[in-house]
Order: sequence, then C-alpha cells, then structure tokens
Amino acid sequence: NAGVMQNPRHLVRRRGQEARLRCSPMKGHSHVYWYRQLPEEGLKFMVYLQKENIIDESGMPKERFSAEFPKEGPSILRIQQVVRGDSAAYFCASSDMTGTGELFFGEGSRLTVL
Amino acid sequence: GENVEQHPSTLSVQEGDSAVIKCTYSDSASNYFPWYKQELGKGPQLIIDIRSNVGEKKDQRIAVTLNKTAKHFSLHITETQPEDSAVYFCAASGADKLIFGTGTRLQVFP
Repeated sequence: NAGVMQNPRHLVRRRGQEARLRCSPMKGHSHVYWYRQLPEEGLKFMVYLQKENIIDESGMPKERFSAEFPKEGPSILRIQQVVRGDSAAYFCASSDMTGTGELFFGEGSRLTVL
Repeated sequence: GENVEQHPSTLSVQEGDSAVIKCTYSDSASNYFPWYKQELGKGPQLIIDIRSNVGEKKDQRIAVTLNKTAKHFSLHITETQPEDSAVYFCAASGADKLIFGTGTRLQVFP
C-alpha cells in the first residue's frame, strides 16, 4: 500500500526558471494539502485541494505560485520565475477526510534556487 | 484564523529522562490536535493525536494532554531513548486544514 509519493525529491533551478512539483496521494485519498518548510522552520500551510477544486489557497503567495489536482493524475504545485527565497522543502500530504483527520505526508521535494 | 505556538524550540535530555513539549492555540473551535515527528530528511509522521472531547491519551511512552479552557496541549515522552531524537510538531485543526507549531528539536543524549 504505497504512501504519498512526491517527485522530484530534489530539484535545482536557476532564478527565473519554473519549478513543478508532483504529488500522488495515498490510494483512496481525495484531499491533498501542500505545506512549505523553510530551513529550521515549521510547516506553513499553502493550499488545500480536492479533485478538480481548490478549497483553500489562503497560504499561497498571490503571484507566481499555482496548484492543481486534476481528475486524473497527480497534484501539481507550480512555481514560476523562481527566486532564491523559494528555496525550501515542499511537502504534500493527503487525507481521506477534511480538517480533522490524520494527514499522511510524503518525503518532500527540496527545491534549491541558484 | 488559527495560530499555534510551541515551546521550547530546542530540548536536550539525558536518556531515560522525560521530555515535555507545550503548545497553545487561538481558535476555540479547533477540535483535533495531532503531534508529528520529523526525522532528518523525511516527511512528518503522526505519533499521537487527541480530540477535544478527551482530556488525555496515552500510547506506551507517549502521552498527550489537552486543556480546552486554557487552549493548550502538551506532549509527554517518558523514558526517552536516543531514537526519540527528532523534530516534533504540534498542530491544531482550523476550519479545513491543520495549522502547525514551529517545532521542537529534541536531542536525547545516551
């Protein structure tokens, strides 16, 4: 029973390039959450999605960041025109219920912007 | 929205001693309070959780207490072992998502 799968595990981009991070939730889970973790800091909520719907994007920066969870395929977190401050670990988590159920986390995607 | 504060940020204990981590939350509507353990280079993993209709929950060496009136909850680890060394996060459920504390780095010295 595969857990939450994230790829790539490590991604290096130059300033101005695009980063695409992918997340496949656990089987049977329809709720996906993205969190960002800066070095030596906590987990900051970014966005909560269900299939084909963004439910809560209150933690997403207004520009350059977008997320989707299509009917088929993984959830994608997209960062356009990356800057050095985007360097962080991005964690995806999935759940079979909203808000008050256990979140299962992936191993994270570590983005480094040169 | 929900805000979660966590203390201390670092904690060093001798093997066999107890460790206590404390969190406070702001939203009285929150009703689910999990604790996650994150090892280096890994994703966080749930170790114990508590819901608002319960005051205390125990699982072997780990226990969590919740005081809804004061809006704080705590993680207690007894008989600590070197493999307990990790970063621990508390969290509280907002309307539709978990809000995490800033983490506690626990070091257990043999």
